[in-house]
Amino acid sequence: GQSLEQPSEVTAVEGAIVQINCTYQTSGFYGLSWYQQHDGGAPTFLSYNALDGLEETGRFSSFLSRSDSYGYLLLQELQMKDSASYFCAVKYSGAGSYQLTFGKGTKLSVIP
Amino acid sequence: DTEVTQTPKHLVMGMTNKKSLKCEQHMGHRAMYWYKQKAKKPPELMFVYSYEKLSINESVPSRFSPECPNSSLLNLHLHALQPEDSALYLCASSQDDGRSYYNEQFFGPGTRLTVL
Repeated sequence: GQSLEQPSEVTAVEGAIVQINCTYQTSGFYGLSWYQQHDGGAPTFLSYNALDGLEETGRFSSFLSRSDSYGYLLLQELQMKDSASYFCAVKYSGAGSYQLTFGKGTKLSVIP
Repeated sequence: DTEVTQTPKHLVMGMTNKKSLKCEQHMGHRAMYWYKQKAKKPPELMFVYSYEKLSINESVPSRFSPECPNSSLLNLHLHALQPEDSALYLCASSQDDGRSYYNEQFFGPGTRLTVL
């Protein structure tokens, strides 16, 4: 089976930097994704790491260490609109297709 | 067109009703998914269709019945649901043809289902 751990809540100040960690246990691991979900909205894709290292997309960066089964999402220059839930998700192969299993989510609150 | 559409947005049904949720994408994606999401919980995978064939059924009760009429459409037929089935039902699609590096799943806005 798959299991992921991430903090349930994080609070940070507008303009600051915040890091959301994710550890996972899985078989057939292909990569680690990050999704953002605002209240009442659908999850939207932020980033994907299949290889060790850092991926940068604008204000968001994601890191993966496969040997440590660990990744993180880094959000810089926080804005109020970044207040949302952030899910890490492992991509793995099962029954002939790829699947995602999501972590429980981290609720990020950005305060002025 | 990079959008997944779902209808209806909201649905209220009784435990004896039969209803269907619909999902559509025109991105040429070959994998389509149904997820269930309860409040303050992560999306939980229900079904995966790959190349229009059901490849994964995550032990979902038979009162949920998926259907993939063609590569762009995905339906979820509902019958004799229970109040605990009330949730946001999300459809997603992805390219995942085995050769693609990226894993982006595009989610629709969801159908908020209430079972009375």
